[in-house]
Amino acid sequence: GQQVMQIPQYQHVQEGEDFTTYCNSSTTLSNIQWYKQRPGGHPVFLIQLVKSGEVKKQKRLTFQFGEAKKNSSLHITATQTTDVGTYFCADAGGTSYGKLTFGQGTILTVHP
Amino acid sequence: GAGVSQSPRYKVAKRGQDVALRCDPISGHVSLFWYQQALGQGPEFLTYFQNEAQLDKSGLPSDRFFAERPEGSVSTLKIQRTQQEDSAVYLCASTPESAGWAQPQHFGDGTRLSIL
Repeated sequence: GQQVMQIPQYQHVQEGEDFTTYCNSSTTLSNIQWYKQRPGGHPVFLIQLVKSGEVKKQKRLTFQFGEAKKNSSLHITATQTTDVGTYFCADAGGTSYGKLTFGQGTILTVHP
Repeated sequence: GAGVSQSPRYKVAKRGQDVALRCDPISGHVSLFWYQQALGQGPEFLTYFQNEAQLDKSGLPSDRFFAERPEGSVSTLKIQRTQQEDSAVYLCASTPESAGWAQPQHFGDGTRLSIL
């Protein structure tokens, strides 16, 4: 079935450094969602990308959807300790009702 | 309440026991999803309800897993004759409408199930 691969699995950064996580699919994605899960918490929706080549920004976070709609990325500029958590991409277009197929996630640790 | 509520937060059971996990979605939400999240992994889809109808149960790992949503609101995930590999966090999520492919899912805090 549809698989979404996410790299890296772990990322340790110093506060103030940038961070990027990548999401790849072997097939074309109709849309992709990004979620953040704090340690001990539940996934929280960040954003959805639908259009080829789409770029969306939320303060220090920049989300991109590839031209071929087979990859996506999340970039955080100047990380803060509040950015700690696991970032997941999820294929949201496999069904009409929105069943999510998640990547493995990238665990971000920020050292003060 | 304002969000998705799940209970219990933690459940410890002995291998072979039956367990029942409850999900209270956001009021009025039509769609309800169950996911299983193993340690260090992303959530994996188990089953989907549109109101009281279970339209997709393709992710249930075995016939020991059973879910229901009889009145289209609260849902229960039941696991019979639990096994150690059932240990995971079970997440419930809901969305307002049935055409959910473009909607964010609202997750509960999950039930952490440990099978001894």
